Amino acid sequence: EAQVTQNPRYLITVTGKKLTVTCSQNMNHEYMSWYRQDPGLGLRQIYYSMNVEVTDKGDVPEGYKVSRKEKRNFPLILESPSPNQTSLYFCASRTGTSSYTQYFGPGTRLTVL
Amino acid sequence: AQTVTQSQPEMSVQEAETVTLSCTYDTSENNYYLFWYKQPPSRQMILVIRQEAYKQQNATENRFSVNFQKAAKSFSLKISDSQLGDTAMYFCAFMKHGGTSGTYKYIFGTGTRLKVLA
Repeated sequence: EAQVTQNPRYLITVTGKKLTVTCSQNMNHEYMSWYRQDPGLGLRQIYYSMNVEVTDKGDVPEGYKVSRKEKRNFPLILESPSPNQTSLYFCASRTGTSSYTQYFGPGTRLTVL
Repeated sequence: AQTVTQSQPEMSVQEAETVTLSCTYDTSENNYYLFWYKQPPSRQMILVIRQEAYKQQNATENRFSVNFQKAAKSFSLKISDSQLGDTAMYFCAFMKHGGTSGTYKYIFGTGTRLKVLA
């Protein structure tokens, strides 16, 4: 089944404790992206990647890192999480051409205390 | 910078009726794509419909259709014969066509919460 998976689905952590949210897709998509969703703000793009070793900042990259060492994986790293990073996070992917339709993962609910 | 505005935070509609959700956007680009996504209580983001800016014909997908007015930068979603399963948050999204620059960014609106009443 074609899908985007994220782990963990739920995470409660404390300020300053490094964490990684994994994202994997099995559709051989070139483009992958991370978003955060906050009430009243919709989805905002954090980082995106056009292909392996090619990443770029979205609208809200501060406090986040990403890497794209393999085509299927695009982890989101919070090296020193803060309470303002409490949010719902989505990973998405799409093929590099034609429809530009993104396929979303199930979301990761992160709480930073 | 591109912006997407959804001016209706909440709406409700009776089952079997028709409802229209509004979306406006601001861009100086000529090539772009517009999307409507549905987010039910499960939180999963589900594509409802897609429109290419270079196409004048409005996109339709079963009970869902759009009214795309490029000059007015308007992209409304019409849901016909509303069903209880249509209850969800709906997001309008804009994507700039990367072309040779290779840049692809997506901008989402703040969402409209739709409730279908039995």
